[in-house]
Parts: sequence; C-alpha cells; structure tokens
Amino acid sequence: EVLLVESGGGLVKPGGSLRLSCSASGFTFSITWMSWFRQAPGKGLEWVGRIKSKSAGGTTDFPAPVKGRFTISRDDSKNTLYLQMNSLKTEDTAVYYCATDVYVWGQGTLVTVSS
Amino acid sequence: DIVMTQTPLSLSVTPGQSASISCKSSQSLLHPNGKTYLYWYLQKPGQPPQLLIYEVSNRFSGVPDRFSGSGSGTDFTLKISRVEAEDVGIYYCMEITQLPYTFGQGTKLEIK
Repeated sequence: EVLLVESGGGLVKPGGSLRLSCSASGFTFSITWMSWFRQAPGKGLEWVGRIKSKSAGGTTDFPAPVKGRFTISRDDSKNTLYLQMNSLKTEDTAVYYCATDVYVWGQGTLVTVSS
Repeated sequence: DIVMTQTPLSLSVTPGQSASISCKSSQSLLHPNGKTYLYWYLQKPGQPPQLLIYEVSNRFSGVPDRFSGSGSGTDFTLKISRVEAEDVGIYYCMEITQLPYTFGQGTKLEIK
C-alpha cells in the first residue's frame, strides 16, 4: 500500500523558513516523480511544485507564486521528499500535501504563517 | 496558465440518482504526445483529495464503476451514476498537460 506521511508543519513568522518532509513507503520511490500541493483554509487546491526522478533528470518545476522561494529535493536512500520554504508570506498558510506526482496524496501538514 | 472552469459549483442529489460535473479548460488539453492529461479528484470532508479518474476516462485503482469520465480537447465531464451517501464532498478537475498544473474551483456535492 502506498503511504505518504508529511511532517514539519507549524507556526512561522512572515519572512521565516520551514522545511517539510514526506516519508514514502509502499512503492519504488526512486523512480517516482513527486509533487507538493497545498490548500489554504476553506479554499481550493493549488500545485506547489514537482521533482522528477533522478533517471529523468531530477529537475524541479514551480508555479509563479512560489518560484524562487520554495525548493524541492529528494533523498532516494531514505525514501523522503522535502519542501524547503523560504521568505514565507501570510498567503502561504495552508495544508501542504505531498503526492506521488498526481496519484496518491498524503494526509497533509498545516503551515501557518503569522506574526 | 490554463484556466479550468467547473460547473456547477454545487449540486444536491437524491441517492440513487445520477450527477454530472462539467470541466472546461481555456486551452486544449491534448498533449503533443497524443495523451490528454485531465484528472478528477474527490475530497471528502476532513480528508486529502483522492484520485478518481486519470487521463480523462481511466478509473484509478479501487474506484467504483459508478464513476466515469469523458471528454476531449477543452470539454470534460465526470458522471456519477447511482449516487451514494459516501460520494459527498468536493470534486475537482485538474490538468497537467501544461505547467503549471491547474485545478478547477471545485464542485460541492451534497445528498438530499
């Protein structure tokens, strides 16, 4: 069974940084493209970025609202995905989900950006 | 960015009846490789989204055959036959034909 468990969420001040982790099991992590999504309170879904498998180049892509502030990395030896978030803004407040590209999503972790 | 527009934004359905949700994209979702990357999700209350349909019409693992997807180009439809109480939640369409991935606004399904 595919299982994704996010961690690292919490309260951070505007301008601060936070790193989320996503521990994966139940599938071959190293060959799987992975994505991050988010959902602001009471709002719809938004794609935050993706990382390709190393065999596909390991490159990352981001939408405009987070480009230059967020980075995604992966440690295939630990079956773990990361989302590094810098220069956080209040509008980044959301539940953050990792996903096996677009197929299976984790339960999410809440990030609150507030002074 | 491709804009995804869902209609209706809410619907109330009697158990056993069918329901349809439309999703229209601002550009064709047909990729040069011949595939169309249109997906449907259901987000049940308090849960993460779960994939129902991938690439327009393929049911994901474990999804009941009451759910079906159709469409092409810019017009897509999710149909739920014989709606059950467990189908309540918000349905989203999403495209990944072109970066960035974009979602529709969501359609809230309630049971009468």
